[in-house]
Amino acid sequence: AQSVSQHNHHVILSEAASLELGCNYSYGGTVNLFWYVQYPGQHLQLLLKYFSGDPLVKGIKGFEAEFIKSKFSFNLRKPSVQWSDTAEYFCAVSGTGRRALTFGSGTRLQVQP
Amino acid sequence: KAGVTQTPRYLIKTRGQQVTLSCSPISGHRSVSWYQQTPGQGLQFLFEYFSETQRNKGNFPGRFSGRQFSNSRSEMNVSTLELGDSALYLCASRSDRGAGEQFFGPGTRLTVL
Repeated sequence: AQSVSQHNHHVILSEAASLELGCNYSYGGTVNLFWYVQYPGQHLQLLLKYFSGDPLVKGIKGFEAEFIKSKFSFNLRKPSVQWSDTAEYFCAVSGTGRRALTFGSGTRLQVQP
Repeated sequence: KAGVTQTPRYLIKTRGQQVTLSCSPISGHRSVSWYQQTPGQGLQFLFEYFSETQRNKGNFPGRFSGRQFSNSRSEMNVSTLELGDSALYLCASRSDRGAGEQFFGPGTRLTVL
């Protein structure tokens, strides 16, 4: 069975600080990887995705993530966070051909002005 | 293009009752998936429908069921409600073309008293 671990449950940063959120997955096959964000009172939105090719993927709002196959990791990064980045971030994985997403438990990011 | 819509947005029921939630996918999307989001269990996959057929099912009891209509609209039903069914129920639609990422609706918040 596939699983996703997000080790940081709650992260507090000051504006302009750099961000890295960890995501590790367990799956016995080729995977598709995603980061979703849920802003307060809003629905889940896709930040970025990895299907194949360049393991460094860039998403919206200055976010990027790197797929490291040997470490089963897909960490999310942003060089300089803003107050508007305050939200909950979810890492998710699906097997190729299997569309159901398995989500991590989420990381609540709080950015202080 | 309009996003995924879900109705109703909020629902209060009592134990033992049944409930039906509705989801309209993005126009042209034939795949609809349902997820349950709770503080304790996080986001969990319920089932996926494609062209009126259930294509995938998560690990939920038989009280949870769904269906999809010829216009791709989907409903999910929960019978004999339990207190633990209180959750945010999310619907996601997906195109079979392109990257195939899932787009989520705002959810239906179900409270079981």
